[in-house]
Amino acid sequence: GENVEQHPSTLSVQEGDSAVIKCTYSDSASNYFPWYKQELGKRPQLIIDIRSNVGEKKDQRIAVTLNKTAKHFSLHITETQPEDSAVYFCAASRGSSNTGKLIFGQGTTLQVKP
Amino acid sequence: NAGVTQTPKFRVLKTGQSMTLLCAQDMNHEYMYWYRQDPGMGLRLIHYSVGEGTTAKGEVPDGYNVSRLKKQNFLLGLESAAPSQTSVYFCASSRTSAGYYEQYFGPGTRLTVT
Repeated sequence: GENVEQHPSTLSVQEGDSAVIKCTYSDSASNYFPWYKQELGKRPQLIIDIRSNVGEKKDQRIAVTLNKTAKHFSLHITETQPEDSAVYFCAASRGSSNTGKLIFGQGTTLQVKP
Repeated sequence: NAGVTQTPKFRVLKTGQSMTLLCAQDMNHEYMYWYRQDPGMGLRLIHYSVGEGTTAKGEVPDGYNVSRLKKQNFLLGLESAAPSQTSVYFCASSRTSAGYYEQYFGPGTRLTVT
């Protein structure tokens, strides 16, 4: 079945360093790849997404890249700050299913040390 | 505009008891979803709905039922609660934009079954 693998499960960086989280997906028909940030005790919040017709998207310190051939996509956070500490989830969706169902990765706990 | 809301926020049940979780959205979204979140397991889809009066099974539907009698509400029922259903439950809703579905989450319900 459809599957999304996310690595690493935990990531610790120094404030100001960059952080990269990687995901691979199994369904070659997937065409939408959102990233969610979840702070402790809070709801997942959409921080950035990418569609299959582009290879990269940036929003200030956050960027996402997509390699459709290899079926993987990555989240890049530059100049990390303590408030970036959270659990990050990647997900994939197939638009042609007309359901909007997201398949989530297992999550990455990012710790930014001041 | 409250977005997605969930009732209740917390609940403790005894094994065998029943309850209903309510999700409401005021964004006129067609699609609604129920997830459960367990440590190390990410977000797993329980049931979803692609419109008023429709429901469908997700990845982990056993032990749950749902109803979507009104477009803005999506109810999740547990007929006979089991300790394995101890989890945090999130509702989400989405709209479609050219075949891409952005999901927005409610604040969650923390359920403990003893």
